Amino acid sequence: GAVVSQHPSRVICKSGTSVKIECRSLDFQATTMFWYRQFPKQSLMLMATSNEGSKATYEQGVEKDKFLINHASLTLSTLTVTSAHPEDSSFYICSATLGGLNTEAFFGQGTRLTVV
Amino acid sequence: AQRVTQPEKLLSVFKGAPVELKCNYSYSGSPELFWYVQYSRQRLQLLLRHISRESIKGFTADLNKGETSFHLKKPFAQEEDSAMYYCALSTGNQFYFGTGTSLTVIP
Repeated sequence: GAVVSQHPSRVICKSGTSVKIECRSLDFQATTMFWYRQFPKQSLMLMATSNEGSKATYEQGVEKDKFLINHASLTLSTLTVTSAHPEDSSFYICSATLGGLNTEAFFGQGTRLTVV
Repeated sequence: AQRVTQPEKLLSVFKGAPVELKCNYSYSGSPELFWYVQYSRQRLQLLLRHISRESIKGFTADLNKGETSFHLKKPFAQEEDSAMYYCALSTGNQFYFGTGTSLTVIP
């Protein structure tokens, strides 16, 4: 199946700094990528839908100025957590779809963010 | 509006017992339904999708449009089935996940 790579897999940052997480589709072009947040022992929460070349669509309650999403190419989307705070500590997961008639989503391995 | 509902947050069954993870959806169009599984410390991976109508690892799921359900079933649970299971709906443009069901298979 298609491969989605997320980097870094684990990051620790100081409160007030910004952190960028990359999501790459390695062997296919992803018109649409999704960013999720997973709290401990809770479900995936869709944060935003990212379409190549256009602004991301954020879900209700997600601060777009806090979580900056850029999808500059068909193989790369980035999520930047700006001015991180301890409450931003979480597991962030991206996924990408092949598009067209095939809407299966492929997931990155996730990024564990810890803000200290 | 919640498009995908998984009513059971936790489910425990004994090894060898049948298991059913419930999923109901709400969508006016023709959805694509999926089941994803997340084993401990691993990434989410596709378990099965309704259009392929295949059985993966002994699991099956039938789309019931009348009941708007896509329940996941396995006749004999195995310990290695212990994981988090997510039902998902695709509208073609967006993916919606249920809240997930944590399945524990007791030896």
